[in-house]
Amino acid sequence: DSGVTQTPKHLITATGQRVTLRCSPRSGDLSVYWYQQSLDQGLQFLIQYYNGEERAKGNILERFSAQQFPDLHSELNLSSLELGDSALYFCASSPRGQKTGELFFGEGSRLTVL
Amino acid sequence: DQQVKQNSPSLSVQEGRISILNCDYTNSMFDYFLWYKKYPAEGPTFLISISSIKDKNEDGRFTVFLNKSAKHLSLHIVPSQPGDSAVYFCAALYNQGGKLIFGQGTELSVKP
Repeated sequence: DSGVTQTPKHLITATGQRVTLRCSPRSGDLSVYWYQQSLDQGLQFLIQYYNGEERAKGNILERFSAQQFPDLHSELNLSSLELGDSALYFCASSPRGQKTGELFFGEGSRLTVL
Repeated sequence: DQQVKQNSPSLSVQEGRISILNCDYTNSMFDYFLWYKKYPAEGPTFLISISSIKDKNEDGRFTVFLNKSAKHLSLHIVPSQPGDSAVYFCAALYNQGGKLIFGQGTELSVKP
């Protein structure tokens, strides 16, 4: 158990819909990262937040948005869903001041778009 | 633009032998390189890392080698055990950018 909690674990929805994925980082961790893993793909970096502020952005689509709240939990919003958005979405957190890349990942949210 | 590449999607090794997983990168500004291990239905877990100023780091059965001139790193597992069967991801960190970039992963199968 990494201490990072993601909900829901599984989600099935239709094209054009909007979903929200939720992440609670480990206690005390200020950074939250979102990654997407599609079939046969590696982990694609989407976005990073640090203490409520966006710190780094990857290839995140304009249809996707994220935020980190004052209690440090984060939400990833996916809208106008397409079939290609079906993937595993991972959230990770890292301790304050950690600069060596060690992240703690949640178990992921599997999104299926039909 | 794939900055971190793992060209072997899979690797099969006999128990007790050495497993060597490879990774290539393109950005010479990376500060750290890491290996993560992932079992099915679980998130990736950190395995071992190496600073860009080192060329080797060892932790028990796991050793990571970094060849900066070739922009190549490898993970050696000796001896390999069936419980090592998992997907291994290579990752690189560029501290100024704050991004941890992952490769596509290599699925290791260790056969008894």
